[in-house]
Amino acid sequence: EVQLVQSGAEVKKPGESLEISCKISGYSFTNYWIAWVRQMPGKGLEWMGIIYPGDSDTRYRPSFQGQVTISADKSISTAYLQWSSLKASDTAMYYCARGSYSSSWQFDYWGQGTLVTVSS
Amino acid sequence: DIVMTQTPLSSPVTLGQPASISCRSSESLVHSDGNTYLSWLQQRPGQPPRLLIYKISNRFSGVPDRFSGSGAGTDFTLKISRVEAEDVGVYYCMQATQFPHTFGQGTKLEIK
Repeated sequence: EVQLVQSGAEVKKPGESLEISCKISGYSFTNYWIAWVRQMPGKGLEWMGIIYPGDSDTRYRPSFQGQVTISADKSISTAYLQWSSLKASDTAMYYCARGSYSSSWQFDYWGQGTLVTVSS
Repeated sequence: DIVMTQTPLSSPVTLGQPASISCRSSESLVHSDGNTYLSWLQQRPGQPPRLLIYKISNRFSGVPDRFSGSGAGTDFTLKISRVEAEDVGVYYCMQATQFPHTFGQGTKLEIK
């Protein structure tokens, strides 16, 4: 069974660093891209970026480039989304999802979401 | 970035009646391989998004046949033939033809 299991909710202060994770199981981690999607409170979905764990090819939406880092560890089938200095405006639910060109870019499995709250 | 524009942003519908959501892209979504990577997703309250339709009109596994997708180029439509209570939520179109992938603003489907 394909599963994407995300790390738990986080409460942080502005300026702190954070890494959230997305652990996959049930398929070959290196054969699918993993995307990260932001949903701010009461708002729509925003595509942040995507990584292909097979060769670590990573693409960012320009507005997120330099603001976050997407990475993956093939040895433990886990993708990461990292901030070096959080802002209050990073408060949101973050989802990971898998997709691939070879599967016609079906984003067919999603993580349950990680709620990040940034407040002083 | 390709901008995806959905209309309407809110759609009150009577149970058992049809519903339709439009999505327009700022440029053609036809990929160099000839395919069009336009998907529709549903997000029920408090849930992660769920894939309904991919490549314009292909229903994902387990999606009821009352959901259908159509369109070409820059104009696409999601139709629900007879709305049921479980269809309440927000619907998003998404393009994956070009990086960065992008979503529409979302259309909230609610029951009258």
